[in-house]
Amino acid sequence: EAEVAQSPRYKITEKSQAVAFWCDPISGHATLYWYRQILGQGPELLVQFQDESVVDDSQLPKDRFSAERLKGVDSTLKIQPAELGDSAMYLCASSFDRGGYTFGSGTRLTVV
Amino acid sequence: AQSVTQLDSQVPVFEEAPVELRCNYSSSVSVYLFWYVQYPNQGLQLLLKYLSGSTLVKGINGFEAEFNKSQTSFHLRKPSVHISDTAEYFCAVTEIQGAQKLVFGQGTRLTINP
Repeated sequence: EAEVAQSPRYKITEKSQAVAFWCDPISGHATLYWYRQILGQGPELLVQFQDESVVDDSQLPKDRFSAERLKGVDSTLKIQPAELGDSAMYLCASSFDRGGYTFGSGTRLTVV
Repeated sequence: AQSVTQLDSQVPVFEEAPVELRCNYSSSVSVYLFWYVQYPNQGLQLLLKYLSGSTLVKGINGFEAEFNKSQTSFHLRKPSVHISDTAEYFCAVTEIQGAQKLVFGQGTRLTINP
């Protein structure tokens, strides 16, 4: 069964440092999503790509977060500088259409 | 814009007892509905989804859910739970037209006691 790959699984970083997460969606899935899930809460959308274009980044803190999906395949989410409040699970998902969304295993970020 | 409310943040039940996790949604247009399960430090695994057709949807691990359009609900049920069902459960919605994104509820923590 096809999977969404994410790396790293866990990341510990000091505040003010830069950190990056990588996501490889299921082959053929044009839409890619990055979600942030704070402990004890539901996932919230940070950014949505259609191919290489951003279609929704309204909840992305653009002063410190950036996301790209060059060539419309894999994607990188970056935080610079990291803050204590960024500690969360970062989930990547991809979809072919509205009927199915597949999530990766996530990256657990701890900022110290 | 769509929204999801999961009415219980925590649900404790005894093993082999039935369980219902409640989910209500709000949207001005037609929607698709999903239930996901999340185990500690894992991603989200799809339990079941409603796209169209029969309002009673069966999923994996013996779970089922019923779509009720008039009550804008999509409650998840299982007739007999097992210890391994202990996890966080999320209800999610996407609009059939418009933004192709999933909006999640806050989650329900299901704890199974022996």
